[in-house]
Amino acid sequence: GAGVSQSPRYKVAKRGQDVALRCDPISGHVSLFWYQQALGQGPEFLTYFQNEAQLDKSGLPSDRFFAERPEGSVSTLKIQRTQQEDSAVYLCASSSRSGTGASNTEAFFGQGTRLTVV
Amino acid sequence: AQSVSQHNHHVILSEAASLELGCNYSYGGTVNLFWYVQYPGQHLQLLLKYFSGDPLVKGIKGFEAEFIKSKFSFNLRKPSVQWSDTAEYFCAVKSWNQGGKLIFGQGTELSVKP
Repeated sequence: GAGVSQSPRYKVAKRGQDVALRCDPISGHVSLFWYQQALGQGPEFLTYFQNEAQLDKSGLPSDRFFAERPEGSVSTLKIQRTQQEDSAVYLCASSSRSGTGASNTEAFFGQGTRLTVV
Repeated sequence: AQSVSQHNHHVILSEAASLELGCNYSYGGTVNLFWYVQYPGQHLQLLLKYFSGDPLVKGIKGFEAEFIKSKFSFNLRKPSVQWSDTAEYFCAVKSWNQGGKLIFGQGTELSVKP
């Protein structure tokens, strides 16, 4: 597609429920990133994929958070047993090349999924 | 740890006023620098970027930013703002040895009064 697509746009979950958030990156983009944006804050890094390999998951806040990208394109961020502090906008971004080394690349962002845990 | 600091949380200007939003980062290595804008209800969009070369970079919609390496700064400027510039602005840094992840500042909300 023309841009990064995320679904759903809005998700309301009851505390303790599991949720799955989907990201369709720009076709052919190698790198995919997930960020969490709390209200009034800048996005914070969660995890990074290069193709299907999850190279960095240092930002995942707990073992309730899990991300996958099995075929190197679509990615899913799963949150198990949601808590109120998980309420945020979850952003996905993709870029055309690997982010390591001397590559100068920019990331393109989706519109995000706003998760509200009640 | 790497961090990005934006000096102003909320800026209110009248149309035609000049804008400067401050951004400082803490990282001593080679970095790429970005300013993103988020209009109400829309996704993050790239305003401008610095990779290398001329430290004064020009972006879309009349915005520019200057990279001052000695000050670890990348301030955003616009000579004359418009009501349509009302949005949230984020400074971000990417270090070359950290896999391409962006470290964002906390954002500056700009309100332009007509």
